[in-house]
Amino acid sequence: ILNVEQSPQSLHVQEGDSTNFTCSFPSSNFYALHWYRWETAKSPEALFVMTLNGDEKKKGRISATLNTKEGYSYLYIKGSQPEDSATYLCAFGNSGNTPLVFGKGTRLSVIA
Amino acid sequence: KAGVTQTPRYLIKTRGQQVTLSCSPISGHRSVSWYQQTPGQGLQFLFEYFSETQRNKGNFPGRFSGRQFSNSRSEMNVSTLELGDSALYLCASSPTAGPTDTQYFGPGTRLTVL
Repeated sequence: ILNVEQSPQSLHVQEGDSTNFTCSFPSSNFYALHWYRWETAKSPEALFVMTLNGDEKKKGRISATLNTKEGYSYLYIKGSQPEDSATYLCAFGNSGNTPLVFGKGTRLSVIA
Repeated sequence: KAGVTQTPRYLIKTRGQQVTLSCSPISGHRSVSWYQQTPGQGLQFLFEYFSETQRNKGNFPGRFSGRQFSNSRSEMNVSTLELGDSALYLCASSPTAGPTDTQYFGPGTRLTVL
């Protein structure tokens, strides 16, 4: 059974703080790593798909890095805003004919 | 383009009943996946369908079943409902069924079993 771990489980930061959290996944048979943002009362929304070791993606104040050899990805948020409050999910795709495996998410609360 | 739609949005059933949930994918998307989300758990994979064929099935009892129609719309059915089936059920569509495909999620169906 593939295991995807996210840490921390939850995080409270002040508006303007920068923050980051981790997604750990199996380093063998890697194919893709996805990040999603899930705001309360909305649907999960895709942020990034990363496929290459060393990949870095950026969207506004949010960026992500990928290390497939050691099996981890970091998501960074620069200058957190209250609208960044959400649960951030990562999902691992391997090279087999298997579905994405999601972590339990990191719940971020940004306090104004 | 219209997003993924799910019906109904909310459902209350009693133990022993059965329920059918519906998912309409984004136009042109041929893959539909279903997930169950309960408090404290991540998204638990239920099924994945591509071009009317079930590609993968998660570790759920046989009471959970699904299907996909020729227009890519999908339904999932839960028979003999149990209290533990109370959850948010999400479906997601993607153009194909590859691991690099972004999944587009619907708003979910909130099922409460009394």
